Amino acid sequence: QVQLVESGGGVVQPGGSLRLSCAASGFTFSRYAMHWVRQAPGKGLEWVAFIGDSGNNKNYGDSVKGRFTISRDNSKNTVYLQMNSLRAEDTAVYYCARDLASSWVMGLDDWGQGTLVTVSS
Amino acid sequence: EIVLTQSPATLSLSPGERATLSCRASQSVNTYLAWYRQKLGQPPRLIIYDAFNRATGIPARFSGSGSGTDFTLTISRLEPEDFAVYFCQHRVNWPITFGQGTRLDIK
Repeated sequence: QVQLVESGGGVVQPGGSLRLSCAASGFTFSRYAMHWVRQAPGKGLEWVAFIGDSGNNKNYGDSVKGRFTISRDNSKNTVYLQMNSLRAEDTAVYYCARDLASSWVMGLDDWGQGTLVTVSS
Repeated sequence: EIVLTQSPATLSLSPGERATLSCRASQSVNTYLAWYRQKLGQPPRLIIYDAFNRATGIPARFSGSGSGTDFTLTISRLEPEDFAVYFCQHRVNWPITFGQGTRLDIK
């Protein structure tokens, strides 16, 4: 069955950096687009970033554009989120999710359990 | 950015009743709208994509309708596991956005 396991979360000071990883299994990773979505404590969902199956097509939410970078390594079945210049408002559970489609968006069909990022001094 | 507004914010119903949840977009999203259910402490789960298509494994009591700016998720007979928070999400352009959610509570 599909498994998505996020890692790399933790506590970081404002202005710091973190790299999140999402290890995928149970499906042909290189054939699917992937997303990162976050959820601040007690709040709703905010889409963060998208990457197509080949890694050439990427898009970002306005609040993270220029600070976050999504990437993938299809040989390792892993998608990453490099987060720089972190702010207190980036504090959230970060989920990776698999799309139904390969190089565009159709629906976020499978989700990991999430990893918590806390930005605090 | 397209804003999705969900109503009501909270809906209190009993098991076996029918639930109707709404999502309104600030501009047309064609039929490029999805619905997700999030139980407490769990990640979201895709329920409906492209306005009316049920995702894999989703029971027939869930149905979606609408196009343009107004969409509805209907749960015909509520089961205990349906009491959760529901989010809508569009994919018509970047950035993808979610609605703020509707909480479905047990009455």
